[in-house]
Amino acid sequence: DQQVKQNSPSLSVQEGRISILNCDYTNSMFDYFLWYKKYPAEGPTFLISISSIKDKNEDGRFTVFLNKSAKHLSLHIVPSQPGDSAVYFCAASNQFYFGTGTSLTVIP
Amino acid sequence: DAGVIQSPRHEVTEMGQEVTLRCKPISGHNSLFWYRQTMMRGLELLIYFNNNVPIDDSGMPEDRFSAKMPNASFSTLKIQPSEPRDSAVYFCASSLGTGAEAFFGQGTRLTVV
Repeated sequence: DQQVKQNSPSLSVQEGRISILNCDYTNSMFDYFLWYKKYPAEGPTFLISISSIKDKNEDGRFTVFLNKSAKHLSLHIVPSQPGDSAVYFCAASNQFYFGTGTSLTVIP
Repeated sequence: DAGVIQSPRHEVTEMGQEVTLRCKPISGHNSLFWYRQTMMRGLELLIYFNNNVPIDDSGMPEDRFSAKMPNASFSTLKIQPSEPRDSAVYFCASSLGTGAEAFFGQGTRLTVV
């Protein structure tokens, strides 16, 4: 059973707008979460992470929010750029559990 | 460092044949992960090693799959016999401890016909 879920397989946004990617998890013991970005024919690359002791972590245009009570995290990209078009995976618990990914398309 | 190196990049084999996928982790990293990517399940962890020792292989789908890490710079994932449902992209990743972010190889696209 999927312990990390990304319920939106795809997302399209206009360049310059905000992209919001969502991720839900089932295990309240998870204490560390990561987001990875993947381009076609390449391996995933680390983007940003958050520990369960925080509710927000920001790195440039990328911000991850964690809502422990809802077992939900989200990745905000603002402003979105065409180069952000990729598949985004969320992961929990030291990369042991990954979601199915969300394909983001940023339209110029 | 050249990053995590996987070989081959592509493998096409016939059902029933043995397939061996190879991985060279980043020098100095002590954790190594094997993942399988499918449309339905995303990235599934198959097995991970810490200091060359298999710690958790509960993700290995069945006895046809086996993985080894004979030393800190090399790991293999073997499928024998291979079946069409094994067709997927297999990734190897390494990290400096299980709590640090993982660095992925470019993957091996396996097709079993």
